[in-house]
Amino acid sequence: EPEVTQTPSHQVTQMGQEVILRCVPISNHLYFYWYRQILGQKVEFLVSFYNNEISEKSEIFDDQFSVERPDGSNFTLKIRSTKLEDSAMYFCASTRAGRGETQYFGPGTRLLVL
Amino acid sequence: GENVEQHPSTLSVQEGDSAVIKCTYSDSASNYFPWYKQELGKRPQLIIDIRSNVGEKKDQRIAVTLNKTAKHFSLHITETQPEDSAVYFCAANTNSNTGKLIFGQGTTLQVKP
Repeated sequence: EPEVTQTPSHQVTQMGQEVILRCVPISNHLYFYWYRQILGQKVEFLVSFYNNEISEKSEIFDDQFSVERPDGSNFTLKIRSTKLEDSAMYFCASTRAGRGETQYFGPGTRLLVL
Repeated sequence: GENVEQHPSTLSVQEGDSAVIKCTYSDSASNYFPWYKQELGKRPQLIIDIRSNVGEKKDQRIAVTLNKTAKHFSLHITETQPEDSAVYFCAANTNSNTGKLIFGQGTTLQVKP
């Protein structure tokens, strides 16, 4: 069964550094998402992406964040200048269609900002 | 704004007992309600979902009920087993066509053997 994959599984970075988190959504899916989960808290929506552009973003997704689909398979989340509070698990998800369709989550990238 | 409230935050049951987790949502346009199970350090895994055109859905020991009028939906697990121990999240979609999900705070279920 196809799965969403993410790399790296863990990333440790210094505050102020840039990080890029990578995701490979399921191949016939069209909608892509990033969520984050601070340790012990709920999963929070960051951004959705469809047809090569951001379709919606949350208040968390400020100018320090960007997303890109650089080729036909990868979907990336970039944090330009990491802050301590960016430490979290970042999940990528994808779905075949948008609203009301099952979202499949990747295994996550645990980001630790020191 | 868009919000999903989930209760209880922790639930401990004996093996074989039933467990019920409840959620309420605020967006009357929500029409899709998935439940995810998350084991420690792992990805959220969809276990069951329900759409607003039905009131109840069952899959073996798991069932979900939806009350659109009251904006409530609940997860019911019968004959619980130790491997059911995990964090369970409810979620709801919104009016947005993007399909984003709003998650509840999670329920840590512990099934004691």
